[in-house]
Amino acid sequence: ETGVTQTPRHLVMGMTNKKSLKCEQHLGHNAMYWYKQSAKKPLELMFVYSLEERVENNSVPSRFSPECPNSSHLFLHLHTLQPEDSALYLCASSRSWQETQYFGPGTRLLVL
Amino acid sequence: GENVEQHPSTLSVQEGDSAVIKCTYSDSASNYFPWYKQELGKGPQLIIDIRSNVGEKKDQRIAVTLNKTAKHFSLHITETQPEDSAVYFCAANPWMDSSYKLIFGSGTRLLVRP
Repeated sequence: ETGVTQTPRHLVMGMTNKKSLKCEQHLGHNAMYWYKQSAKKPLELMFVYSLEERVENNSVPSRFSPECPNSSHLFLHLHTLQPEDSALYLCASSRSWQETQYFGPGTRLLVL
Repeated sequence: GENVEQHPSTLSVQEGDSAVIKCTYSDSASNYFPWYKQELGKGPQLIIDIRSNVGEKKDQRIAVTLNKTAKHFSLHITETQPEDSAVYFCAANPWMDSSYKLIFGSGTRLLVRP
């Protein structure tokens, strides 16, 4: 799983905190994705970036703010989260937006 | 929009037996069907995929079959081993100009008993 890395692997934050999740891919891909994985729910797509341009925002609350400074890096900035935002946040990348996606290990987030 | 249903939600088999997981999709335009395996504490890993111009694909103990008419596809694992225990997800990717997302099934927790 060294193709897509995510940091931190675990994060505990209060509802008033601001934190950021980081994703880096070493595969030379042009598309990157953020997914949310909650217990008893299918994987939910949050954002898609293709060639550093956001091409999908899947009705995600504004307390989640993505950033893609280049094709290898993707961030998810978090602020004033709610306890129901606790989940595993997965990053993925693909060669282009229609091709096979490869996932990172995820960041396990707990909002208190 | 696309909807992917996956069954069963849990599956327990004896080591050496076969396991079959089934998915159905709703959008007949779907053209690509990957399967992912997720072990505890890890992200999903692609194990096999199939495109709509193929009816079956095999990779050692793993095979996937696709029935486009019935809009369902299945994962077959033969000679199961304890290390096959994990959660398996199917997905479909509608082939549309504006489509660039995988729609995932809800997952199947597979337990292989030694």
